[in-house]
Formats: sequence, C-alpha cells, structure tokens
Amino acid sequence: EVQLVESGGGLVKPGSSLKLSCVASGFTFSSYGMHWIRQAPKKGLEWIALIYYDSSNKYYADSVKGRFTISRDNSKNTLYLEMNSLRSEDTAMYYCAKHSPGGFDYWGQGVMVTVSS
Amino acid sequence: DIVMTQTPLSLSVAIGQSASISCKSSQSLKYSDGKTYLNWVFQSPGQSPKRLIYQVSKLDSGVPDRFSGTGSETDFTLKISRVEAEDLGVYYCCQGSYSPLTFGSGTKLEIK
Repeated sequence: EVQLVESGGGLVKPGSSLKLSCVASGFTFSSYGMHWIRQAPKKGLEWIALIYYDSSNKYYADSVKGRFTISRDNSKNTLYLEMNSLRSEDTAMYYCAKHSPGGFDYWGQGVMVTVSS
Repeated sequence: DIVMTQTPLSLSVAIGQSASISCKSSQSLKYSDGKTYLNWVFQSPGQSPKRLIYQVSKLDSGVPDRFSGTGSETDFTLKISRVEAEDLGVYYCCQGSYSPLTFGSGTKLEIK
C-alpha cells in the first residue's frame, strides 16, 4: 500500500524558513518523480514543484520560484521542500504526491504551514 | 498557463440521482504522444485529495463504476450516476499535459 507521510509544518513569521519532509513507502521511491501541491485555507489546489526520480530535473510554479527548493534522498525514501522568505500567502496545507504520467496518483495526508506575525 | 474552468461551482443532488460536472481547458489537452492528460480529483471534507479518473476516462483502482469521465480536446465531463452520501465533497479537474499542471477551481457536491 502506497503511503506518503508529510511532516515539518507549523506556525512561522513572515520572512522565515521552514523545511517539509515526506516519507514514502509501499513503492520503489527511487523510480518515481514526486510533487508538492498546496491548498490555501478554503481555496483550491495549486501545484508548486516537481522533482524527477533521480533529481536530474526540478520544476517550480512561478509563485515559489527562487524561494522554495525541492529535493529528495532516495536512500531515505524522503522528499523535501525547503521554503525560504515565507509570506502570508504561503499559508496552506502542503501535500506531497507521487508522479504518474500526466499528473499524480497518490497524495499524502498533508501538513499545515501558517505564516503569520 | 492552461486555465481550467469548471461548472457549476456547486451542485445539490438527491441520493440516487445523477450529477454532472463540466471542465473546459483554455487549449487542447491532447499531448504530442496522442494521449489526453485530464484527471478528476476528489476531496471529501477534511481529507486529502484522491485521484478518481486519469486520461479522461480511466478509473483508478477501487473507484466505483458509478463514476465516468468523457470528453476530448478542451471539453470534459465527470458524471456520477446514482449519487451516494459518500460522494459529497469537492471535485477538481486537473490537466497534466502541459507544465505547470493546473487545476479547476472545484465543484462542491452537496447531498440534497
């Protein structure tokens, strides 16, 4: 059974940093690309980042480019999202998701990030 | 970026009746490999999203055959026949043909 478990969220002040983790199990993590997707409170879904299975390519939404970094450690079956210069508009539930051609087939349960002074 | 427009924004349906959600993309989703990467994603209240349908009409494992997806190019439809209480929540279309992946704004299904 595929499981994706996010952690690392919390309440932070504007301008600060935070690093999210997503531990994967139930599939060969090193063979699949992985995504981060977020959902602001009471809002829709926004894709924010993709990393290839071997970290050879990384893609970002314009809204986070230059501030967020996606990475992975295949030896630990773990995906990361390092978030810098956080803004109030980054407040959201953050989900990791397993890549499937044309999208994502499995999602984690999400981790909440709140940016507020 | 490709804009995904869903209608209606909300839908109230009695148990046992059918529901239909439309999704239109701002350009054709037919990719160079001939496939159309249009997904339907469901989020029940307080839960994380779950994919229901991929490549327009292919049901994910475990998804009841009450759900069906149709469409091509820029116009797509999710149909739920015989709505059940567990179907309440928000349905999103999502295109994966072009980067960045983009979602519709969602359709909230309520049980009448």
